[in-house]
Amino acid sequence: QVTLKESGPGILQPSQTLSLTCSFSGFSLSTYGMCVGWIRQSSGKGLEWLANIWWNDDKYYNPSLKNRLTISKDTSNNQAFLKITNMDTADTATYYCASNNPYYFDYWGQGVMVTVSS
Amino acid sequence: DIQMTQSPSFLSASVGDRVTLNCKASQNINKYLNWYQQKLGEAPKLLIYNANSLQTGIPSRFSGSGSGTDFTLTISSLQPEDVATYFCQQYYSGYTFGAGTKLELK
Repeated sequence: QVTLKESGPGILQPSQTLSLTCSFSGFSLSTYGMCVGWIRQSSGKGLEWLANIWWNDDKYYNPSLKNRLTISKDTSNNQAFLKITNMDTADTATYYCASNNPYYFDYWGQGVMVTVSS
Repeated sequence: DIQMTQSPSFLSASVGDRVTLNCKASQNINKYLNWYQQKLGEAPKLLIYNANSLQTGIPSRFSGSGSGTDFTLTISSLQPEDVATYFCQQYYSGYTFGAGTKLELK
C-alpha cells in the first residue's frame, strides 16, 4: 500500500525559505522508474506542478519557479524534500507530494497548508 | 506553456444523469491527458490516464475520450458520491492542470 505524508512549518514570513518533507511508504525511490513530484494548490492559481525527482536523481522544475526551487531525496529513509526560497504571500497554498509514474500522479499525500504572512 | 481550459466551471446535475465535462488544450497534446477528482478537504485522486485509460479501482461509470486538443470526461450515471471538483492535466510538456469543473447535485 502506497502512502505519502507531507510535513512543513505551517506558517512563515515573507522572504523566508520554505522546507517541506515528504515521507512515503510502499515504494522506493531507488527503484528504476520511480519518481516523486510536488504540486501546490491555491485559490489564486489552482493546481500547479512544482518539481519532480527520479530514482536516478534526475530533477525537473517548473520553469516559472525554477530559480527558487530545490528538490532532493533521502532514499534510505524514504523521503523527498522541497525547498522554496524567498517566499511571498502569493506562495500561500496547500502543498502536496505525490508518486509520479511519471506521466500522472497516482498517489497523493494529504497535503500541508503553508501560510506566508508577516 | 500549454494552457488547459475546462468547461463548464460549474455543473449541477441529478442522480442518474449522464454528465460530460470538457477540457481543451492550447495546443496539440496527442493523448497526454489525465483526469482527477477532488472531494472537499481531500487530495486529488487519479481517475483516467492517457486520455481514456481507467485507473485501477475507479468505477466503470467514469470514462475519458479525446485526443489532440479536445477531451471529455463522462460519468454515465451520476451518483451522490461523485460530487467533487474535476481537473484535467496535460503531460505533453511539463505538467499543467485545468482550473476545474465543480460538480454538484441538483
